[in-house]
Amino acid sequence: QSVLTQPPSVSGAPGQRVTISCTGSSSNIGAGYDVHWYQQLPGTAPKLLIYGNSNRPSGVPDRFSGSKSGTSASLAITGLQAEDEADFYCQSYDSSLNVIFGGGTKLTVL
Amino acid sequence: QVQLQESGPGLVKPSETLSLTCAVSGYSISSAYYWGWIRQPPGKGLEWIGSLFHSGGTSYNPSLKSRVTISEDTSKNQFSLRLSSVTAADTAVYYCAGQSAVADNWFDPWGQGTLVTVSS
Repeated sequence: QSVLTQPPSVSGAPGQRVTISCTGSSSNIGAGYDVHWYQQLPGTAPKLLIYGNSNRPSGVPDRFSGSKSGTSASLAITGLQAEDEADFYCQSYDSSLNVIFGGGTKLTVL
Repeated sequence: QVQLQESGPGLVKPSETLSLTCAVSGYSISSAYYWGWIRQPPGKGLEWIGSLFHSGGTSYNPSLKSRVTISEDTSKNQFSLRLSSVTAADTAVYYCAGQSAVADNWFDPWGQGTLVTVSS
């Protein structure tokens, strides 16, 4: 069981907006540690999608956005496209500075 | 452009030691960057194994700490993972990745991953 809780799955139709939550505690996200997000397309390695809660690396479309509040973080995807279908993971740190991941969320584009 | 490539045996026997190497190109591993290992059991999520700091220091997942060693070979610009006393539960795709040398850092870039199966 992961320290950071994500919904196992979310879905949306093309063009719609979906959000993926990442819920932690006062020992990790709530303690002020940044949250990062990764996208893992089928059969490939994870790729950095959002870093430092809300920053997009070069090349990541602005349809992807991140936010953080209290003990949780969220990833929003607008204008959903078929190629967005993937697994998404959040990552942060605990109070012992160990890396922690969410359990992952499978996005299905209907 | 930093690129990472994992290599090592794809099959390891139970109770033996898993050894993997990550070759880094486009950047010197002794420069201001951290290096990490992450694994993903088939059909499951990501698990951090440990990280190597550019100072040579290390940090390990507490659940694996007693069995893990991460080290560097600056002459070959690569770093390595050793996981001892493996069981079937250690079967996974193993990824190496770079980590920015800042607080609360993230993993980028990632290697393509290598599947290691523990079986007799």
